[in-house]
Amino acid sequence: NAGVTQTPKFQVLKTGQSMTLQCAQDMNHNSMYWYRQDPGMGLRLIYYSASEGTTDKGEVPNGYNVSRLNKREFSLRLESAAPSQTSVYFCASSEDIRESQPQHFGDGTRLSIL
Amino acid sequence: KQEVTQIPAALSVPEGENLVLNCSFTDSAIYNLQWFRQDPGKGLTSLLLIQSSQREQTSGRLNASLDKSSGRSTLYIAASQPGDSATYLCAVHTQGGSEKLVFGKGTKLTVNP
Repeated sequence: NAGVTQTPKFQVLKTGQSMTLQCAQDMNHNSMYWYRQDPGMGLRLIYYSASEGTTDKGEVPNGYNVSRLNKREFSLRLESAAPSQTSVYFCASSEDIRESQPQHFGDGTRLSIL
Repeated sequence: KQEVTQIPAALSVPEGENLVLNCSFTDSAIYNLQWFRQDPGKGLTSLLLIQSSQREQTSGRLNASLDKSSGRSTLYIAASQPGDSATYLCAVHTQGGSEKLVFGKGTKLTVNP
C-alpha cells in the first residue's frame, strides 16, 4: 500500500544548485500535482498534470519545471535554487482531474536552500 | 480568485468533547470540498470529500457539512480523543482556472487527556 512515494525526504542545497524531486504513484491515477507548503501561506499548487503527456501551471510555477515521465511518475525540477524556494513540497494524485475524486498525498520533501 | 478561510487557527479541548471546525470560501463555483488531516512532519490524509450537490458526509466520528450557497463547511468531531490531535485542512476544488485545489491554512487541534 505505497500510494504516493516522494524522494528524497530531506535535502539541503546551496543557492544556484539544481535538483529534481521525484514522485511516483501506484494507484493507476491519471492526474498528478505538485504543491508547496509554507508557514502562514498554506498549500499552493505549483504545477499539475491532468493526464500522461500534459502539464499545466498552477498558482506559483515560477522557478520550477515539471516532467510527466509516464503515468506513474511526475518530477519537479529546480534549475537554479533560490532561498525563497525553501519549503516542504508535496506530490499528490487523483483518479482524474475532471472527476470529483479525492487527492492522495505523499509524505513530502523538506527542502532547504542556503 | 478563490479564497479559503479556516477559523479558528488553533483549538485546544479536553478529551471527550464534541467540536466543530469551520471553513469558508468566497466562490461557490466548486466541484467539491475536501477535509484533510495533517500530522506533524507528515503528508495530508483525506478524511471526507463532499460533492457540490451534497449537503454532508459522515465517516465514523466525523461529519462534514456543506452549504455551497453561503460558502461554508463545517467538520464535526464527536467524542474527541488525544489521537485526533493534528492540523485539519479544508480545500475546495474550484471550477476553471489554474487553481484546481485551493487550501485553507488549517486549524491546529489539540485534544488533552
